[in-house]
This record gives sequence, C-alpha cells and structure tokens, in this order.
Amino acid sequence: SAVISQKPSRDICQRGTSLTIQCQVDSQVTMMFWYRQQPGQSLTLIATANQGSEATYESGFVIDKFPISRPNLTFSTLTVSNMSPEDSSIYLCSVDVTGITGELFFGEGSRLTVL
Amino acid sequence: DQQVKQNSPSLSVQEGRISILNCDYTNSMFDYFLWYKKYPAEGPTFLISISSIKDKNEDGRFTVFLNKSAKHLSLHIVPSQPGDSAVYFCAAKRAGNNRKLIWGLGTSLAVNP
Repeated sequence: SAVISQKPSRDICQRGTSLTIQCQVDSQVTMMFWYRQQPGQSLTLIATANQGSEATYESGFVIDKFPISRPNLTFSTLTVSNMSPEDSSIYLCSVDVTGITGELFFGEGSRLTVL
Repeated sequence: DQQVKQNSPSLSVQEGRISILNCDYTNSMFDYFLWYKKYPAEGPTFLISISSIKDKNEDGRFTVFLNKSAKHLSLHIVPSQPGDSAVYFCAAKRAGNNRKLIWGLGTSLAVNP
C-alpha cells in the first residue's frame, strides 16, 4: 500500500493565475499519475510522471498548461497554468504499487475553483 | 466514445440487502477490471479487481462478476451497510498499457438504515 498526501486540499483562484499542487508519497514509487475529475465527469488521466524524465501527457493535455516536476521517487508537483473557470476540478495524484493490475492508491485530491 | 459505462448514476438499497452495481465496456482488449469507492472530499480507494481470464472474484462482502461475452461486469455487496454509501467507479486497464485506466462515470450508492 501507499499513503499519499496532497497540498493544498482546496483553493479558490483568480482567472489567469497559476497554482502548484504538491504530492508526497510515503514510499518510493517509479510512476506517479495525475488525474482530473471535472464536475459531473469521471476521472481523466492528465499525465504520468516518471522520476528523471519528462512527464508523458495524455491526448488533450500539454506541458505548457500542466507542467509537472518529479525531482525524486517520493514527490511530484502539478502546476495548473493560466487558469480559467474550465480548470475548476478536483486534481488527484496517484501511484501504482503493483505495476501490473492497475491498482492505484490516490491522494485525497485538491479541489480547485477558478473565478 | 465512452469505453466504460456505468448507466445507473445512483442506487438506493436497504441495509442488510444486496447492492448490485453494473458496468459495461466496449473494448475487448481490457485485461483487468477494477472497482473503486470514493467518499466525498477523499480520493478513490481500491476495492476489488478481476482479471479478464476469470469470471468471479470474491473478497469478504464484495464479489465482482465478469461476463466477457456480454462485456459486462457487476459488483455485489452483501450485506449492504450504511458505511458502504459512496460513489463506486468501475475502471478498466488495457493489456500492455499499465499506466492508464479507463473510468466509468460512477454510481452513487445510498444504503439506508
């Protein structure tokens, strides 16, 4: 298992600003995943963060909008840049401990509201 | 195109009875199916999974059934308890793609005392 801490848990932001979300894991993991859950929608994978290499972004998500850092095996950050109201979502950090079955452990999420 | 579908947005069940949550999928390349539970203001929690080579997996009060010919799986909770009230997500993983899960929209389960 893994215990994941995310900060901030929630924030209200102004349009055009940027916010960085931090994710700390209590064990070393190879891959960390950043998800988004927009209101009324399911979870959507934004990108996979590997330590020591560039993040891999899913279709529809770009590095300029969602830059990710992965400085070590227990920590990652996701920045939501130049925010608009459409970015209002819950952002979730997760890790895959088994590496085989897709069983993920999630942080508690960061709820962003953009005015 | 939604590859994983949970057609019931909500379900209400009496305490002690069986809860059945359904999930349909379209992609025959999925090799693992997973169920997650999510309480408000918390991240999803892994509940139970099933490999595509099996048709049933049981863990305590939770059983997942897989019908590959119908591309359908279901989660049974017996007996249901008020603490089971949460949103349940069905998710699927494609063979050879360990990093990405495809998620359903979720079903909100309410277990009434």
